[in-house]
Amino acid sequence: DAGVTQSPTHLIKTRGQHVTLRCSPISGHKSVSWYQQVLGQGPQFIFQYYEKEERGRGNFPDRFSARQFPNYSSELNVNALLLGDSALYLCASSLLGLNQPQHFGDGTRLSIL
Amino acid sequence: LAKTTQPISMDSYEGQEVNITCSHNNIATNDYITWYQQFPSQGPRFIIQGYKTKVTNEVASLFIPADRKSSTLSLPRVSLSDTAVYYCLVGDGGADGLTFGKGTHLIIQP
Repeated sequence: DAGVTQSPTHLIKTRGQHVTLRCSPISGHKSVSWYQQVLGQGPQFIFQYYEKEERGRGNFPDRFSARQFPNYSSELNVNALLLGDSALYLCASSLLGLNQPQHFGDGTRLSIL
Repeated sequence: LAKTTQPISMDSYEGQEVNITCSHNNIATNDYITWYQQFPSQGPRFIIQGYKTKVTNEVASLFIPADRKSSTLSLPRVSLSDTAVYYCLVGDGGADGLTFGKGTHLIIQP
């Protein structure tokens, strides 16, 4: 079975631009969550979606937004990119929610110049 | 959210048993304890989850004392491929999401 897939794997943007990152969960998983991981730190929670509704939000500015589609795939959007947004963005899925084991993709490496 | 404290780094040798302890003094009644493993440039991988006493699966054991204020991840007979960062998480899966700390950098030597 395919695991969580994320695209693109790498991305280079400049300050002020907008970016869209994509995530396909494991088949049958209805919960998708997003994390930001800067070098040397643990992942930081950004959003969780379940059944296409936002169920949780971390301490990130409104420049960050996300959505989940009817097929349970998800997009993370970041507007007005800053140098500090350079990080590995991880997507995780689970059957029902965050109290279950999370299956992570290998992330999108975003570099802001 | 319950805060966790774990060693920044640990060293061991191939074939040894490794125990990584995590402190979580303000764990709540509904909180579970979960451990993840992460290799460079990869997403975290679920290892084990427990609520109390002992849980064992094919790769690790998790020991949780009665007061649940700490937990110990036990990796039997480690190999070089077990070199990774190990994260201890405590939470109930609510709207605050999963909280990862800085993790424990485990280095296994030949």
